[in-house]
Amino acid sequence: GAVVSQHPSRVICKSGTSVKIECRSLDFQATTMFWYRQFPKKSLMLMATSNEGSKATYEQGVEKDKFLINHASLTLSTLTVTSAHPEDSSFYICSASPGLAGARDTQYFGPGTRLTVL
Amino acid sequence: AQSVTQPDIHITVSEGASLELRCNYSYGATPYLFWYVQSPGQGLQLLLKYFSGDTLVQGIKGFEAEFKRSQSSFNLRKPSVHWSDAAEYFCAVGARAAGNKLTFGGGTRVLVKP
Repeated sequence: GAVVSQHPSRVICKSGTSVKIECRSLDFQATTMFWYRQFPKKSLMLMATSNEGSKATYEQGVEKDKFLINHASLTLSTLTVTSAHPEDSSFYICSASPGLAGARDTQYFGPGTRLTVL
Repeated sequence: AQSVTQPDIHITVSEGASLELRCNYSYGATPYLFWYVQSPGQGLQLLLKYFSGDTLVQGIKGFEAEFKRSQSSFNLRKPSVHWSDAAEYFCAVGARAAGNKLTFGGGTRVLVKP
C-alpha cells in the first residue's frame, strides 16, 4: 500500500518551454502533497506544500510563478515548470500524505522525475 | 526551526558486518522522526518512523532505530548488511505543528564491500 507514482520519469525539453509533471497516489487519498527538488549528491529541498482544493504554499525563495502547482483531486497533483531554463534542470520528487488519522503524518514518495533543460 | 544533521557523508561497510548511521536533530518539541532510503535515480522509500511510544523502532529490510531524547538522536542500525543495502540514507524530522513538513538531513551514502 501507499504507492505514489510520477510521470514522466524523465523529460528533456528546450529552454523556454513548459513542462508538466504529474504525481498520483495510487491506493490512497492524499489530502496533502509535497514537491521537492534534489540536486546531484544533495539532500531534498522542499519547494511547496499543496492541499487538495486550495492554493499551494511555497517555501521561501521558490518562485510561485515559475513552479505552478495544482492539486485538483485527492489523488493527483501537478507541477508545471514554466519557461524552463537550464538552471531548472534537476530531480523533482513528490510525496503524499494519506488523509487517514494515524497515517497523515507520514509522507510516501514518488520515484522522481529527471528534468533536463537544453 | 527544525534541523537534522547526519555527520557521516560516506560509510563503507563489509557485507555481513553491522551498520549504524547517525542522526541528530534539533527541534523544540518532540518531533516525528523518519528514515528513508534512496537508490540511485529513484525516489525515497520509508524504512521506519517514530511518533511516540517505544523508543526502539523496527522497520523494513531488517533495520531498526532508537530514539534517544537526551541525545536528540535517532540512529539507524542493521546487524548484518547485504550488498543490496548500498544506497543513500536520509534522516528526516517532521512535526504536526509545522504542517507535517519534513526537514531532511544531508544524507549518508553507504557503500558495501563484498
